[in-house]
Amino acid sequence: FMLTQPHSVSESPGKTVTLSCTRSSGAIDSKFVHWYQQRPGSAPTLLISEDKHRPSGVPDRFSASIDTSSNSASLTISDLETEDEADYFCQSYDGKDHVVFGGGTKLTVL
Amino acid sequence: QVQLVESGGGVVQPGRSLRLSCAASGFIFENYAMYWVRQAPGKGLEWVAVISYDGVTEDYGDSVKGRFTISRDNAKNTLYLQMTSLRTEDTAIYYCVRNRIRGMISLCFDPWGQGTQVTVSS
Repeated sequence: FMLTQPHSVSESPGKTVTLSCTRSSGAIDSKFVHWYQQRPGSAPTLLISEDKHRPSGVPDRFSASIDTSSNSASLTISDLETEDEADYFCQSYDGKDHVVFGGGTKLTVL
Repeated sequence: QVQLVESGGGVVQPGRSLRLSCAASGFIFENYAMYWVRQAPGKGLEWVAVISYDGVTEDYGDSVKGRFTISRDNAKNTLYLQMTSLRTEDTAIYYCVRNRIRGMISLCFDPWGQGTQVTVSS
């Protein structure tokens, strides 16, 4: 299966943005979805685990959910800051425990 | 704090081999499954391999299966990736990544090392 993410999204500081991640086949809630943030020139970091859980240290401006009707996962960032400008990747896995990453969404905050 | 430091990257000709290492510190290495994940220039993330905490279980992405081997030395707190029959499409930053939780393979990656660049070119 594939995880499809919009290539790029732009929004203004202080606003709220929602990034989508659509699973092509198989139920989105059959396996956990995780989200990673990758700032320019840096390694990825875990942002959301197991569909909706924020690791310690991740601001509560970041939240995530699963929508079975659209077979997609969503990452919502509220009160956008310029430091949120980054690439965001969703990730899940199949029944054979093979990992699949989405292609990533480049978020521009301007 | 948890540290993962990759080494061994470089420029190599197609068809040749290279071994990457990842020195782990700040946690009990033998309790965690470990991964290699790569990122080609300007591209997204690709899972390469996983190894269980005890080294018994390994698995690979389709693009590297049969060419790459993941291994670990729990006495040395070190993870390895032996890469053979390298291709130009293997050019990428290779990240060493820890399983988020102890014990079972959870396929959730946290934290990540800073990566080592591998360039396959003639």
